[in-house]
Amino acid sequence: NAGVTQTPKFQVLKTGQSMTLQCAQDMNHNSMYWYRQDPGMGLRLIYYSASEGTTDKGEVPNGYNVSRLNKREFSLRLESAAPSQTSVYFCASSETSGGREQYFGPGTRLTVT
Amino acid sequence: QKEVEQNSGPLSVPEGAIASLNCTYSDRGSQSFFWYRQYSGKSPELIMFIYSNGDKEDGRFTAQLNKASQYVSLLIRDSQPSDSATYLCAVERAAGNKLTFGGGTRVLVKP
Repeated sequence: NAGVTQTPKFQVLKTGQSMTLQCAQDMNHNSMYWYRQDPGMGLRLIYYSASEGTTDKGEVPNGYNVSRLNKREFSLRLESAAPSQTSVYFCASSETSGGREQYFGPGTRLTVT
Repeated sequence: QKEVEQNSGPLSVPEGAIASLNCTYSDRGSQSFFWYRQYSGKSPELIMFIYSNGDKEDGRFTAQLNKASQYVSLLIRDSQPSDSATYLCAVERAAGNKLTFGGGTRVLVKP
């Protein structure tokens, strides 16, 4: 039982490049979330999916897109990376379609130069 | 005013003492409250949640909730060096189904 997994662990992009961050959970959770964490800013919600087939914007969605591929997988895409998107990205999941107890993946450390 | 506020610390605590962390929130209708521990370079780990006013104990951790005063606290008894981490307070807002996180309190337990 791996919990929440994320790939890749590290990534360096040049400005304007695109990439997709992958997230998968094996806990049969309904809801999944993408956060970014920056020094002094705490965790900020980018997008979330309350259930399979639905996605909604969080606090900082600009520059990102998401896909809830199935119940297990929720991906985050950066279409044209900018230095302001340098951050650590965490995926999380929860059983209920509410904030409730969220469980986090190990994170992806992204640097955009 | 931030929605969820925490003192950034560091909170320096001698080994064996009680560490007391506080968190205040602005949305009076908030329903659920969570404490996460995050070691440097690692992901947040859920350690406590509390939904009702009063105290909730789990091992060396006690969460305290006072909805009237809009604060939630975390006590760590018999603090150990392994408790040195950043502790994040998170609040489930009444208006939706998302968590809002505070900036975290860094705790240093000194042997």
